[in-house]
Amino acid sequence: GAVVSQHPSWVICKSGTSVKIECRSLDFQATTMFWYRQFPKQSLMLMATSNEGSKATYEQGVEKDKFLINHASLTLSTLTVTSAHPEDSSFYICSASGTGTGGYEQYFGPGTRLTVT
Amino acid sequence: QKEVEQNSGPLSVPEGAIASLNCTYSDRGSQSFFWYRQYSGKSPELIMSIYSNGDKEDGRFTAQLNKASQYVSLLIRDSQPSDSATYLCAGDSWGKFQFGAGTQVVVTP
Repeated sequence: GAVVSQHPSWVICKSGTSVKIECRSLDFQATTMFWYRQFPKQSLMLMATSNEGSKATYEQGVEKDKFLINHASLTLSTLTVTSAHPEDSSFYICSASGTGTGGYEQYFGPGTRLTVT
Repeated sequence: QKEVEQNSGPLSVPEGAIASLNCTYSDRGSQSFFWYRQYSGKSPELIMSIYSNGDKEDGRFTAQLNKASQYVSLLIRDSQPSDSATYLCAGDSWGKFQFGAGTQVVVTP
């Protein structure tokens, strides 16, 4: 149980374009979803927290107009990187917590590796 | 000061031995704690959660929590090469996780 999927698993895009990443909870209702970014050999950095049907709460220093988050249902959240630049290249990971998971655990998706050329 | 502190390692452990990982936290409001394993290039995988003081065992893993000392630990018994990974400690504070930087464990045959 508590499976989270992400799509795509990797994406290469040109500078200036936008990329959408989907995060789905497959066997539970994700009342809260989290988006993280991880650079090589560094720890996870929380970008934003979203609750179903509400606006996302962004961490300090994360541009909300650049990283658009939508949590439209209890099983789906999307992160759109707008006008991507090479410095946005990173490993983006979503996680989810919610009903049926037994506690306060966050379950992570497999991640999306973004490369901006 | 980081809210969750871990030794970065690497922690070198002979195969079959016990790996001992430590984590301290500064937020006394944290009530729930978690250990995640992250293989290189992969996303974190939940290993253990612990909510109350004392020990919690699950297979070869034992988590220990001491809220008075603000200390969480993870023991891995009978370490295997497949346990080689980075282990992340996390504390839940009002629904938001504070992650440590992770301890790299290397199990040597």
